[in-house]
Amino acid sequence: AQKITQTQPGMFVQEKEAVTLDCTYDTSDPSYGLFWYKQPSSGEMIFLIYQGSYDQQNATEGRYSLNFQKARKSANLVISASQLGDSAMYFCAMREGGDDKIIFGKGTRLHILP
Amino acid sequence: EPEVTQTPSHQVTQMGQEVILRCVPISNHLYFYWYRQILGQKVEFLVSFYNNEISEKSEIFDDQFSVERPDGSNFTLKIRSTKLEDSAMYFCASSESDGDRVEADTQYFGPGTRLTVL
Repeated sequence: AQKITQTQPGMFVQEKEAVTLDCTYDTSDPSYGLFWYKQPSSGEMIFLIYQGSYDQQNATEGRYSLNFQKARKSANLVISASQLGDSAMYFCAMREGGDDKIIFGKGTRLHILP
Repeated sequence: EPEVTQTPSHQVTQMGQEVILRCVPISNHLYFYWYRQILGQKVEFLVSFYNNEISEKSEIFDDQFSVERPDGSNFTLKIRSTKLEDSAMYFCASSESDGDRVEADTQYFGPGTRLTVL
């Protein structure tokens, strides 16, 4: 079974609009961390935001926020006021407590339109 | 802001040749990782390294692969005899601590080395 599911292979959004990238995860471990990474066309992986399984509040980092719904096992990334530079591949990822590895989803390619 | 660096950015090699990919993790980080991303596919974990030994490895990380921290700053991935299917982007990452403290264990990735095996 997929540990991380990103159902949107691609999205087109008008500049300045908000965008939500979906992510659901599957784990039986009570302790885990959820991450979002951005991969521009240049190829590097840029860390955006982190949410711990025990965090009571949704994580926010500037224009990025994570809509964490634990009961639904959902960790959607919200980008407010999108910019042309937000065009990239976005990966949702999870680390289960005690594991070293991060497990990645297949990604969502976001295109911001002028 | 400190960052993970990787060299070379691109490497082209013939099948059967040995390659060494180099990484300089963030200086105060203690945990190091290698991942790979085959073109168009998701990122896959290869190996983690702590205290001069492998901490965890995936089934991809077979006897053809090895990792080393030859000095206080570099972290290397060696592929002994490259195959066509080793063509991928290889990412090095580092973190301050390990999975026992998920709230502080963000892995920061380098820019990657694109390996092409001909």
